[in-house]
Amino acid sequence: DIQMTQSPSSLSASVGDRVIITCRASQDIRGYLAWYQQKPGRVPQLLIYSASTLQSGVPSRFSGSGFGTDFTLIISSLQPEDVATYYCQRYNSAPLTFGGGTKVDIK
Amino acid sequence: ELQLVESGGGLVQPGRSLRLSCAASGFTFGDFAMHWVRQVPGKGLEWVAGISWSSENLGYADSVKGRFTISRDNAKNSLYLEMSNLGSEDTALYRCARGDAGDYVYYLDVWGTGTTVIVSS
Repeated sequence: DIQMTQSPSSLSASVGDRVIITCRASQDIRGYLAWYQQKPGRVPQLLIYSASTLQSGVPSRFSGSGFGTDFTLIISSLQPEDVATYYCQRYNSAPLTFGGGTKVDIK
Repeated sequence: ELQLVESGGGLVQPGRSLRLSCAASGFTFGDFAMHWVRQVPGKGLEWVAGISWSSENLGYADSVKGRFTISRDNAKNSLYLEMSNLGSEDTALYRCARGDAGDYVYYLDVWGTGTTVIVSS
């Protein structure tokens, strides 16, 4: 199966900082990648699909890029409400797999 | 309002079976693939199983293949997960989720709050 590796596993940044999370696939998955945000004690929320398409209602400070094996989620200006764990998920083929998650908090 | 409500979780002994249900509302259930995703508290997300809109295509994680069965009843707007030969490694919060397409190999755009399964003697 194709493995998804996220880095870092956790990070601490200041409000207003630019935050970059990466997700690497063990094989080419083209653009079949989604990003989710899970706030503490809450249900995961879809942020981005097709590697770079913002889900309706998601703030524009979130963006995604990448193709093939390397992908990036960027928060352009970190806000207190962005404290959460972020997961990537590939959907090029079954079984679907998630990355291990990146926990983001405020410094 | 889009809503997914899971039920059926609980405490079960190792080796026994359990059936989870997910009731959907607020959308045309039969148009979308559906999934089960589990999460151990404090840990990451693990996809468990998916089913296409017509039930024609199914998929399972290797960790549950041969033990879990996903099914759906479009007339009842319901999704199910039959779990057998349960082990401690199956202890988790189980959520149902909607795939944003009829085929189950897709991303997940609506999630339920989950039902907890605890496997213990």
